Amino acid sequence: QVQLVESGGGVVQPGRSLRLSCAGSGFTFSSHAMCWVRQAPGKGLEWVALITYDGKNKYSADSVMGRFTISRDNSKNTLYLQMDSLRVEDTAVYYCARDFAPGGPHYYFENWGQGTLVTVSS
Amino acid sequence: EIVMTQSPATLSVSPGERVTLSCRASQSVSSHLGWYQQKPGQAPRLLIYGASTRATGIPDRFSGSGSGTDFTLTISSLQSEDFAVYYCQHYNQWPLTFGGGTKVEIK
Repeated sequence: QVQLVESGGGVVQPGRSLRLSCAGSGFTFSSHAMCWVRQAPGKGLEWVALITYDGKNKYSADSVMGRFTISRDNSKNTLYLQMDSLRVEDTAVYYCARDFAPGGPHYYFENWGQGTLVTVSS
Repeated sequence: EIVMTQSPATLSVSPGERVTLSCRASQSVSSHLGWYQQKPGQAPRLLIYGASTRATGIPDRFSGSGSGTDFTLTISSLQSEDFAVYYCQHYNQWPLTFGGGTKVEIK
């Protein structure tokens, strides 16, 4: 079955960096676009970034553009989110999610990881 | 950026009742609209895509309708496991955006 497992979350000071990882299994990772979605404590969902199946195209929300970088290593079945210049308002659970079907992207997400909590605090 | 507005914010209902949730886009998103369910401590679950197509394994008591700017998610007979927060998400253009959510709680 499809599994997505995030890691790399933790407590970090404002201005510092953190890298999240998402390991995929149970499907052909290199065939699907992938994305990151976050959820601040007690708040709604916010799409963060998306990368196409081949890594050639990347899209980011304005709120993280220039600070966060999405990437993938298809040889390792792993998605990444490099987060630099972190702010208090970046505190959230970060989910990775798989695009609906191979190829695409289709921009809706059927499989999600369990999430990893990032806390930005001094 | 397209703003997605969901209403109501909270809905108190009894099991077995029919539930209708609303999602409105600030401009047309055609049928590029999905619905997700999220329970406390869990990741979102895709229910509907293309405004009206149920995702894999979603019971037929869930149905979606609408196009353009106005969309509806209907649960025909609410089950105990359906108490959750529901989000709509458009995918018509960048950036993708979610609505603020509707919490369906037990009356």
